[in-house]
Amino acid sequence: QVQVVVSGGDVVQPGRSLRLSCAVSEVIFSNYDIHWVRQAPGKGLEWVAVISYDGSDKYYADSVKGRFTVSRDKSKNTVSLQMNSLRVEDTAIYYCAKDGGAERSLDVWARGTTVTVSS
Amino acid sequence: DIVMTQSPDSLAVSLGERATINCTSSQSVLYSSNNKNFLTWYQQKPGQPPILLVYWASNRKSGVPDRFSGSGSGTNFTLTISSLQAEDVAVYYCQQCYSTPWTFGQGTKVEIK
Repeated sequence: QVQVVVSGGDVVQPGRSLRLSCAVSEVIFSNYDIHWVRQAPGKGLEWVAVISYDGSDKYYADSVKGRFTVSRDKSKNTVSLQMNSLRVEDTAIYYCAKDGGAERSLDVWARGTTVTVSS
Repeated sequence: DIVMTQSPDSLAVSLGERATINCTSSQSVLYSSNNKNFLTWYQQKPGQPPILLVYWASNRKSGVPDRFSGSGSGTNFTLTISSLQAEDVAVYYCQQCYSTPWTFGQGTKVEIK
């Protein structure tokens, strides 16, 4: 069964850091890129970042570049999103999603974890 | 970055009637090497993550009801729900997967009239 599970959401103060984790099956981890997408309260979807299946390529939205870092942990089959210098505008539900490969899509999504940045 | 624009922002359709959502990209998302449009459609219901409906502009994901269909090429695309059902009430998003960042449209809310 294809599974993607995200965790780590919390309430943090502006300027602080938080790390989200996306746990996936070994098959997914070894073969597919993983994306991060977020959704601010009552708003639409915003693509945040992607890491390639082998970790060699990483891309970020301009809104998070230089503050967020995506990484992989092969021992745990997890993809992490390290979020530093958090801002109020980073408040959102964060999803990780599996890349569809040749089908160029996000074909499996985690349920999402909530990050609230507030003083 | 490629800008994705959907229209309308919302629409209300009677049960059993057709719903049509449009999506325009600021540049072509047609990949010349394989003649595929890297345009996807998602459905999102309240409190749930999005689910993939259509990829390559017109290919329905396995398990998606055939009342959902995608069409278009280049910069202009359409998602059609041929006969609206109550369970189709949701927000629908298009996304270009041609180049990073994989930008989304602003979403179209579909309701029952």
